[in-house]
Amino acid sequence: SAVISQKPSRDICQRGTSLTIQCQVDSQVTMMFWYRQQPGQSLTLIATANQGSEATYESGFVIDKFPISRPNLTFSTLTVSNMSPEDSSIYLCSVGGGTGQISGNTIYFGEGSWLTVV
Amino acid sequence: GDSVTQMEGPVTLSEEAFLTINCTYTATGYPSLFWYVQYPGEGLQLLLKATKADDKGSNKGFEATYRKETTSFHLEKGSVQVSDSAVYFCALSPISSGSARQLTFGSGTQLTVLP
Repeated sequence: SAVISQKPSRDICQRGTSLTIQCQVDSQVTMMFWYRQQPGQSLTLIATANQGSEATYESGFVIDKFPISRPNLTFSTLTVSNMSPEDSSIYLCSVGGGTGQISGNTIYFGEGSWLTVV
Repeated sequence: GDSVTQMEGPVTLSEEAFLTINCTYTATGYPSLFWYVQYPGEGLQLLLKATKADDKGSNKGFEATYRKETTSFHLEKGSVQVSDSAVYFCALSPISSGSARQLTFGSGTQLTVLP
């Protein structure tokens, strides 16, 4: 499958700070999504990252808290702003709608960014 | 809206036992169905998928059949190994073909296989 790289893979962050997570794909993809997985929970969609325009956020998530950029078809960032302990989660980048191994409607995931807020 | 209901865990089995993890869904139209696996400390990996009714997805000895009449996509494996210990997620995409869409996930089932 495609290589989907996320940075950082893990981090411990101070309350009140912000952290930007990067997602890089080794081929162009149509769709990029950001999910959150809170400890012991399932995945919740934060937003769809739209290339060249504002992201589309799901209910309960807002741009001020989770600003997202997507400057091209292979890269996106998610920022978690003004963090609190409740933001301690795994944040996962996912992609689909590319060519070759990531064509069609299958979604592939990065390894995740494991954030702990103290 | 779309939803996925997964068998609650955790599930603990002995090595070589038979595994079934139940998954049912609610969706309009003709969704695609997926099983993802999350090994300890890792992200999600696609395990198998099915895009239309009666399709059987299979991979690494795991199988699941898309049953439209029962709106189910149960995961099975005939003989589990210790290395299968992981969390398994059933997921749904609202379309059967074309461009990728966001997924709706079940709650996940923790599987532990004992030697």
